[in-house]
Amino acid sequence: DTAVSQTPKYLVTQMGNDKSIKCEQNLGHDTMYWYKQDSKKFLKIMFSYNNKELIINETVPNRFSPKSPDKAHLNLHINSLELGDSAVYFCASSQRPPTGGLANEQFFGPGTRLTVL
Amino acid sequence: AQSVTQPDIHITVSEGASLELRCNYSYGATPYLFWYVQSPGQGLQLLLKYFSGDTLVQGIKGFEAEFKRSQSSFNLRKPSVHWSDAAEYFCAVGNTGGFKTIFGAGTRLFVKA
Repeated sequence: DTAVSQTPKYLVTQMGNDKSIKCEQNLGHDTMYWYKQDSKKFLKIMFSYNNKELIINETVPNRFSPKSPDKAHLNLHINSLELGDSAVYFCASSQRPPTGGLANEQFFGPGTRLTVL
Repeated sequence: AQSVTQPDIHITVSEGASLELRCNYSYGATPYLFWYVQSPGQGLQLLLKYFSGDTLVQGIKGFEAEFKRSQSSFNLRKPSVHWSDAAEYFCAVGNTGGFKTIFGAGTRLFVKA
């Protein structure tokens, strides 16, 4: 059983299009994340959701809109795609620690490679 | 603000040789430190983590890391590298509350026969 799954694995599209990436976790975790990994492998957090609430939004253009219909899903919708959006997007999840508690390990999906032409 | 530096962009070691990957962090409070590995075309997998207690932590696949507060370091080591260890390695620091983890730029490990 896959713990964190993402679809699609590959996404090739034209500039200006709108696309979505889906993420699901079956670990029972409360917290989910989206990361962007560029061509130099640099991994940057985009969003963090806890119990369907947005916790972190790291100065991401508002063309990117995450949606969490329930705790197990966190989808990423991207409007008006640009060349610079080409990257690998990773979804991750973790168990929320108690308030003031420890940062927990994250479980990552396999990634979605987005190519904008 | 928290930050992580991995000084080596890539490292090449011979199979069977020992390995040390460097990581320096900056964080005002007690750091929560992680090492993740990313094999080509895959997501990240946790190797080990440090929260408190013994400063030498053991992880999976024969890896260990040592937390040195005085040097703000959390270096990853393995006594004998296998060809299957070739991958990208990321050091990360998490904040209290746990919602934000900052990753280093990664170190690419090449293993030669």
